[in-house]
Amino acid sequence: AQTVTQSQPEMSVQEAETVTLSCTYDTSESDYYLFWYKQPPSRQMILVIRQEAYKQQNATENRFSVNFQKAAKSFSLKISDSQLGDAAMYFCAYQGGGADGLTFGKGTHLIIQP
Amino acid sequence: DTAVSQTPKYLVTQMGNDKSIKCEQNLGHDTMYWYKQDSKKFLKIMFSYNNKELIINETVPNRFSPKSPDKAHLNLHINSLELGDSAVYFCASSHNRPRQGSSYGYTFGSGTRLTVV
Repeated sequence: AQTVTQSQPEMSVQEAETVTLSCTYDTSESDYYLFWYKQPPSRQMILVIRQEAYKQQNATENRFSVNFQKAAKSFSLKISDSQLGDAAMYFCAYQGGGADGLTFGKGTHLIIQP
Repeated sequence: DTAVSQTPKYLVTQMGNDKSIKCEQNLGHDTMYWYKQDSKKFLKIMFSYNNKELIINETVPNRFSPKSPDKAHLNLHINSLELGDSAVYFCASSHNRPRQGSSYGYTFGSGTRLTVV
């Protein structure tokens, strides 16, 4: 079974600085997707960024980018120019090659210091 | 135009009661899911339905039963509610296969906070 590990229960960063959230996963599949979801206090699950395993290029979405290391099974999220609105729980998630459900990590609580 | 809508958003009920949470999606997705988020924020899949067939059934108590009248709906029925069932329940939907440029198109509802007293 696939597992997703987020080793940082909580991270804190000053506004306008850069922060990196780590995620590792374990799988025997070669075709899969990885996601970062943001969950603010409103509890809505918001897709931040996704990465297809077959793509070597790291995904980017404005201030959000990933460092995808397939051999190391690592998928970290970098948030540049942190903003107060970035404060939330961040979940790393794995989707296998079939239409299975997402496997989530335990989340990282990101605090933005003004 | 809400893509995945679930009702109610909040549900407070007594132990032993039977309750249902409804979910509807208007995205034309083939698969729908139910996830449970516990008090520690951990999200875990409970069920998924693909073309009216249950394709994932994690080790959840049989007091929980998904019901899918059609491809756009997946309701969650819970019998004999227990204190430990208190959690946030999320409905989600996706395509069966990834679509070019959009992967599986996973979309979540806004969640139902269930409190059993």
